[in-house]
Amino acid sequence: EAQVTQNPRYLITVTGKKLTVTCSQNMNHEYMSWYRQDPGLGLRQIYYSMNVEVTDKGDVPEGYKVSRKEKRNFPLILESPSPNQTSLYFCASTSGANEKLFFGSGTQLSVL
Amino acid sequence: KNQVEQSPQSLIILEGKNCTLQCNYTVSPFSNLRWYKQDTGRGPVSLTIMTFSENTKSNGRYTATLDADTKQSSLHITASQLSDSASYICVVSAQTGFQKLVFGTGTRLLVSP
Repeated sequence: EAQVTQNPRYLITVTGKKLTVTCSQNMNHEYMSWYRQDPGLGLRQIYYSMNVEVTDKGDVPEGYKVSRKEKRNFPLILESPSPNQTSLYFCASTSGANEKLFFGSGTQLSVL
Repeated sequence: KNQVEQSPQSLIILEGKNCTLQCNYTVSPFSNLRWYKQDTGRGPVSLTIMTFSENTKSNGRYTATLDADTKQSSLHITASQLSDSASYICVVSAQTGFQKLVFGTGTRLLVSP
């Protein structure tokens, strides 16, 4: 089954404790991206990747890092999480810029 | 400023009834417009994608329209079902090349039995 898999589904952590949210897709997509969704706001892009070793900032990249060492994986790293990064995070992938996005099931992150 | 505005914010309809959701955008240059369905706590799922030259596209009971002149789109749901209860998000791609997507805040639809 074609899918984007994110882990974990829920995560509670404390300020400053480094964490990684994993994302993997099985559709051989070149393009992957990370979004955050906050109440009352539309999804906002954090980072995106157009291919292995090619990443770029989205609209809200501050406080986040990503890496794309393999085509299927695109982890999101919070090196020193802060409470304002409490949010619902989605990973997505697509085969082309004008093709539909496939989203993961989301990671609900709470930073205390 | 690129923006996507959706209306209404929320809507309650009876099962079996039709409804129409609205999307206005001020995004330039325009590449395409998408509608997504998002169940609570889940990732959005693509319903339709329309380019500049398309003015209507259907996906089962969902029909999207696009008026690129007035920068308006609508999503019409026919013969609603309880499973249609979700948020519907309008998304406009701001340029060609990699997606610079501008997301609306969504319309929350509740279909009541």
